[in-house]
Amino acid sequence: QKEVEQDPGPLSVPEGAIVSLNCTYSNSAFQYFMWYRQYSRKGPELLMYTYSSGNKEDGRFTAQVDKSSKYISLFIRDSQPSDSATYLCAMLRNDYKLSFGAGTTVTVRA
Amino acid sequence: NAGVTQTPKFRILKIGQSMTLQCTQDMNHNYMYWYRQDPGMGLKLIYYSVGAGITDKGEVPNGYNVSRSTTEDFPLRLELAAPSQTSVYFCASSLGIPGDYGYTFGSGTRLTVV
Repeated sequence: QKEVEQDPGPLSVPEGAIVSLNCTYSNSAFQYFMWYRQYSRKGPELLMYTYSSGNKEDGRFTAQVDKSSKYISLFIRDSQPSDSATYLCAMLRNDYKLSFGAGTTVTVRA
Repeated sequence: NAGVTQTPKFRILKIGQSMTLQCTQDMNHNYMYWYRQDPGMGLKLIYYSVGAGITDKGEVPNGYNVSRSTTEDFPLRLELAAPSQTSVYFCASSLGIPGDYGYTFGSGTRLTVV
């Protein structure tokens, strides 16, 4: 079993829709939870991070963590074509190394 | 700001050849990492370094070597290239523990071994 499982997608949604992305994890030692966005042929860039259960908002993006269920989500409201990318969840134990999900590719249709 | 710079962007190697992937950061970050990304597999950690002169293995170190003689540079060496090393390689750096700062990634090196 992988430490981090991510819904594989791909997802295709119309402009303005809500995008919902999910990851589950098996290691209770994970303390930090992040979402990265990766455009085609580019390196990943940090979108959001959190270390506690609950919701964290940043503009159109909401990150949700449920440690009791070992489940994290990312919601994108009012999705735009510029949101078309691969989204990677990532998790960190109390050390320096991130464990990544496999990524979900999202296409927002104009 | 240059951030993390990787060279080359693309490379084709023949089986058994060797090469060095270069990575330089200008942010004075202590922590640096090498990942490989294969389709549908996410990012796998190859090697990492917490400072000049200190390196350690990640999940998939076999077939690779690294060195960290300066804060800025963290080259990845492939010895005796094999088709299984065909991948996209990303270098990343962080100021401190990634939970506080996240990683800054380079734009990647696409390597094909034939």
